[in-house]
Amino acid sequence: QKEVEQNSGPLSVPEGAIASLNCTYSDRGSQSFFWYRQYSGKSPELIMSIYSNGDKEDGRFTAQLNKASQYVSLLIRDSQPSDSATYLCAVVGASNTGKLIFGQGTTLQVKP
Amino acid sequence: ETGVTQTPRHLVMGMTNKKSLKCEQHLGHNAMYWYKQSAKKPLELMFVYNFKEQTENNSVPSRFSPECPNSSHLFLHLHTLQPEDSALYLCASSTVLGMETQYFGPGTRLLVL
Repeated sequence: QKEVEQNSGPLSVPEGAIASLNCTYSDRGSQSFFWYRQYSGKSPELIMSIYSNGDKEDGRFTAQLNKASQYVSLLIRDSQPSDSATYLCAVVGASNTGKLIFGQGTTLQVKP
Repeated sequence: ETGVTQTPRHLVMGMTNKKSLKCEQHLGHNAMYWYKQSAKKPLELMFVYNFKEQTENNSVPSRFSPECPNSSHLFLHLHTLQPEDSALYLCASSTVLGMETQYFGPGTRLLVL
């Protein structure tokens, strides 16, 4: 079992729709969770961080964490073509050594 | 300069060459990281430094040799690389080691011929 799993996609949504990106992780003791966005040929940039169960909203982005189900998601409301990118889920494991474990990423395509 | 910078941005080298990648962070962070990103694979952590001390070597081959002279600078020395080492090499930094957000540099795109 992979430590952090994401559906590679591509996930295709029309402009203005809600995009839902999902991630599961295997280390039950994980405490820190991050969503990064990576445009083609560029480096990852942080979108959201979440540390406790529930929802965290920032503009059009909402991160959702359910530690009991070992599941973290990212919702993008009113999706725009500029949101088209690969979204990386990353988790810091229970050992808390700073080791950030990444999923393989989900490619999102927002069609005008 | 702000954030995390990396040089060179692109590098082509032969298998017998020796080269170095440089990373500099202007954020006052104390932890720095090297990652490798190959096509169709997740980002792989290579090395972690905390207050200049190496805390993690993620089973990286010895042809990759990191150096951290201070908390702001990180190097990756390369020698006798293989074509499969061709990838995007990313440097990141964080305030402290652990739960804190990591900020990435633009990366060095390496091609080994």
